[in-house]
Amino acid sequence: AQSVSQHNHHVILSEAASLELGCNYSYGGTVNLFWYVQYPGQHLQLLLKYFSGDPLVKGIKGFEAEFIKSKFSFNLRKPSVQWSDTAEYFCAVGEGSQGNLIFGKGTKLSVKP
Amino acid sequence: DTGVSQDPRHKITKRGQNVTFRCDPISEHNRLYWYRQTLGQGPEFLTYFQNEAQLEKSRLLSDRFSAERPKGSFSTLEIQRTEQGDSAMYLCASRGGTDYYGYTFGSGTRLTVV
Repeated sequence: AQSVSQHNHHVILSEAASLELGCNYSYGGTVNLFWYVQYPGQHLQLLLKYFSGDPLVKGIKGFEAEFIKSKFSFNLRKPSVQWSDTAEYFCAVGEGSQGNLIFGKGTKLSVKP
Repeated sequence: DTGVSQDPRHKITKRGQNVTFRCDPISEHNRLYWYRQTLGQGPEFLTYFQNEAQLEKSRLLSDRFSAERPKGSFSTLEIQRTEQGDSAMYLCASRGGTDYYGYTFGSGTRLTVV
């Protein structure tokens, strides 16, 4: 079975700092990878996704992620965070033909103004 | 609002009672998923419908859990004889069309079993 590991449980940054959240997945074949964000009190929203092609994926709100197949990684980055980025971030991998997602445990990001 | 609706938003129940949650997906989405999210964890996949057919239910946590989607539109998730360990957020998501992973998640139903 596939699994997803997120290395950081809680990250605290000051505004304008750079962000990198780690994500590793277990499956060695073709993978579909995702980052979701959950703002306080809101539903999960898709930040970006990778299916194939350019391993550097750009998403909404200035986020990007890099797929490194040799490292089984899909790390999320943002050059300069804002207070409004305070949220929980989930990495996920698509499983099988039915399209369900396997999520990591999430990383809570707190940005200090 | 054309998103995924879940009802109720919050449910407090006594241990041993049955509860039922409802999910109304985006109308043109034929695929519907249920997930459970406990504190400190990511969402955990429970079950999947394509139209009215339940194509995956082996991930339902026990035989106390069941789900239906009788006419391929809204879905219900029922938990019988609730236990304190069932306390969690229950999420519904739908997708359809040509965007294979174009999920839309609902805001969830938070269940507290006392």
